Amino acid sequence: SAVISQKPSRDICQRGTSLTIQCQVDSQVTMMFWYRQQPGQSLTLIATANQGSEATYESGFVIDKFPISRPNLTFSTLTVSNMSPEDSSIYLCSDGDSNYGYTFGSGTRLTVV
Amino acid sequence: KNEVEQSPQNLTAQEGEFITINCSYSVGISALHWLQQHPGGGIVSLFMLSSGKKKHGRLIATINIQEKHSSLHITASHPRDSAVYICAVGSGNTPLVFGKGTRLSVIA
Repeated sequence: SAVISQKPSRDICQRGTSLTIQCQVDSQVTMMFWYRQQPGQSLTLIATANQGSEATYESGFVIDKFPISRPNLTFSTLTVSNMSPEDSSIYLCSDGDSNYGYTFGSGTRLTVV
Repeated sequence: KNEVEQSPQNLTAQEGEFITINCSYSVGISALHWLQQHPGGGIVSLFMLSSGKKKHGRLIATINIQEKHSSLHITASHPRDSAVYICAVGSGNTPLVFGKGTRLSVIA
């Protein structure tokens, strides 16, 4: 299975600023996913990112707030824009599909102050 | 949309105990996943199941498709098993739906 390197592992950011999270996969994967896990909550899918096309966002998430790039089949970034304390969460990426399994990144723990 | 329920939410066990975590879901699926999340937030995939039973070391996962239910068992539990265990279900190309997780603490 693939190995995903995610960075940064954690960050503390000022409100109003932006943070870009990177995920690098050691093999080519078709679909990548970005999730948010708010404190005490389950993971929620933010968007699905396919190479060469715009990301597909889930209800409640918009491109202006969470722009995603997928320049090739091994790399993706998620930016959390104009941050507020409510954005403090763990953000994770993964590849995979339901028939073959998923590999997850190590997570980014974001605190907005 | 699939609803995924896990029980218990929190579990404290003594080292060596046999542990069971349960997961039920509301809509038919193609696969169920058991995931382990450590305090730093990273997630490791433990099992992917579509039927029957799988075993890896001290971990055993079972699924009953008809009853829409799965269990994760840990034999001879150890403090290093302390983590959050998450059940997730999916079907084809639809995104995974996650349970809220079971927080396990194993005390030496």
